Amino acid sequence: AQSVAQPEDQVNVAEGNPLTVKCTYSVSGNPYLFWYVQYPNRGLQFLLKYITGDNLVKGSYGFEAEFNKSQTSFHLKKPSALVSDSALYFCAVRDIRPKYGSARQLTFGSGTQLTVLP
Amino acid sequence: DADVTQTPRNRITKTGKRIMLECSQTKGHDRMYWYRQDPGLGLQLIYYSFDVKDINKGEISDGYSVSRQAQAKFSLSLESAIPNQTALYFCATSEATSGGTDTQYFGPGTRLTVL
Repeated sequence: AQSVAQPEDQVNVAEGNPLTVKCTYSVSGNPYLFWYVQYPNRGLQFLLKYITGDNLVKGSYGFEAEFNKSQTSFHLKKPSALVSDSALYFCAVRDIRPKYGSARQLTFGSGTQLTVLP
Repeated sequence: DADVTQTPRNRITKTGKRIMLECSQTKGHDRMYWYRQDPGLGLQLIYYSFDVKDINKGEISDGYSVSRQAQAKFSLSLESAIPNQTALYFCATSEATSGGTDTQYFGPGTRLTVL
């Protein structure tokens, strides 16, 4: 079975400082990995995804994520945090070669609440 | 994403009532999904549909049913609502891809409260 872990429920960072939101995954084969952001009273918005190729993926709003196969991680990063980045962030994984039909679907982590302090 | 709309946005109902949540999309995507979000649990897949004639159960389908009325419309029904179905419900869509690389795009959500 595929799974995603976001080990931190809450991350606080000062505005202007770099931020990291952690994500580790488990799949039987190779993964497709996604990051989404959820602002209050809004749906999830797609930030970026890793499919293949360069391990460093750049996405919307200045975010990037690095795929690390040996550590089974896909941490989300931003060099300089903004107060407006405060939101709930979700990591998701899909196995490239699932054994069962339902495993073709995304499995989401439990989310990390990011608060950027002014 | 304004291309994916959900109605109603908020609903309060009583135990035992039948309720339908509706989702419409103008993205032209073949695939549609229903998720449930509970605090601290992330999103859980209820049902998904790869085209009008294809309906599949997700990980938590018990107590729910769906109907794909058209490519653009996918509704979720609770035949007899119970309090533990109180949650935030999201509809999502994606393009059909052969390799599973599709990105899902989400609607704004429906907050459902079952008393």
